[in-house]
Amino acid sequence: EDKVVQSPLSLVVHEGDTVTLNCSYEVTNFRSLLWYKQEKKAPTFLFMLTSSGIEKKSGRLSSILDKKELFSILNITATQTGDSAVYLCAVERTSGSRLTFGEGTQLTVNP
Amino acid sequence: EAQVTQNPRYLITVTGKKLTVTCSQNMNHEYMSWYRQDPGLGLRQIYYSMNVEVTDKGDVPEGYKVSRKEKRNFPLILESPSPNQTSLYFCASSSLTGTLLSEQYFGPGTRLTVT
Repeated sequence: EDKVVQSPLSLVVHEGDTVTLNCSYEVTNFRSLLWYKQEKKAPTFLFMLTSSGIEKKSGRLSSILDKKELFSILNITATQTGDSAVYLCAVERTSGSRLTFGEGTQLTVNP
Repeated sequence: EAQVTQNPRYLITVTGKKLTVTCSQNMNHEYMSWYRQDPGLGLRQIYYSMNVEVTDKGDVPEGYKVSRKEKRNFPLILESPSPNQTSLYFCASSSLTGTLLSEQYFGPGTRLTVT
């Protein structure tokens, strides 16, 4: 059975801290891995990763994929209270573009 | 404005009463999908569609139907809702590069309660 596991499930930090969120997967016919941010509404897209070792970066957020070890990390540097959200990882399979999501990591950034 | 719209946003209904949640996108996206989100279970894919008249099951399709007669619309039908279908539902759409998904845009969500 396909599986996407995120860790930690929740994390509380102070503004300015750097955090690393983890996503490991066991999926047949892997195509891509996607990261989303969900505040108290619909998820919004952050990154799509298809190749190992190539970092994607957007401001203070960055992500990288390791297809050999089957995991991805999402880094957030110099965290701000606006980074507080649930971060979701999803894996797309080649068989018809089905998506499997992890449970999410609840990040709370305190001032 | 590029968007995915869902209606209704909130719905309380009774067991067995057929309902439809509509989803529409204005971005000419090929790919559309329905998800349900439950505490402790994350987002789970119900059905998806790669294009008009092409639909396929996701991970939790039981108790749901979909249709894709037009590119912009992808309604979710619950023929006989049951309390275990109480959930937050999201519709999403994406363009396809070949068969590779690009950024998915999510609708605002529909909170369904079945009593």
